[in-house]
Amino acid sequence: EVHLVESGGGLVQPGRSLRLSCTASGFNFGDASMNWFRQAPGKGLEWVGFIRSKAYGGTTEYAASLKGRITISRDDSKSIAYLQMDSLKTEDTAVYYCARGARLPDPWGQGTLVTVSS
Amino acid sequence: DVVMTQSPLSLPVTPGQPASISCRSSQSLVYSDGNTYLNWFQQRPGQSPRRLIYKVSNRDSGVPDRFSGSGSGTDFTLTISRVEAEDVGVYYCMQATHWPITFGPGTKVDI
Repeated sequence: EVHLVESGGGLVQPGRSLRLSCTASGFNFGDASMNWFRQAPGKGLEWVGFIRSKAYGGTTEYAASLKGRITISRDDSKSIAYLQMDSLKTEDTAVYYCARGARLPDPWGQGTLVTVSS
Repeated sequence: DVVMTQSPLSLPVTPGQPASISCRSSQSLVYSDGNTYLNWFQQRPGQSPRRLIYKVSNRDSGVPDRFSGSGSGTDFTLTISRVEAEDVGVYYCMQATHWPITFGPGTKVDI
């Protein structure tokens, strides 16, 4: 069974950094592209960014509003995708989800809550 | 960016009755490979999103056959043939034809 588990969320002060992890199981992680999404409290879904598999260069795409503050990477040996977030702002408070796949993201993990507050 | 709109934004339903949600995109979602990357997601209260329909009309494994998707180009519809109590939640359409991926605002379905 395909399973994704996000971790690394928590309470962080504005201006600080945080790295989220997405640990995958049940499929060949190295062959998969991985997406990150987020959902602010009571709001809709927002795409954060995406990393292609190594077969497609392992390149990344980022939401314009976040570009420069986030970095998505992957460790295929550990089946983990990472979302590094820097210079966090209060408006980055959200549940962050990872999902397998580029244009057909499925499944999604259960999410990890990031709260940016002083 | 492609703007996705949904209507209605709130949909009171009666168990056993049909329901439909409309989704429109600001530009065609037909990709150069011939596919249309329009997906539908269900988010039940307190849960993560679950994909119901991919590429307009393909039902995901385990999704009840009362859910169906249709449409083309810029106009799409999610239909529930007979609503059940477990269908309560928010439904999102999502396009992944054009970067960035964008979502509709969501339609809240409740009984």
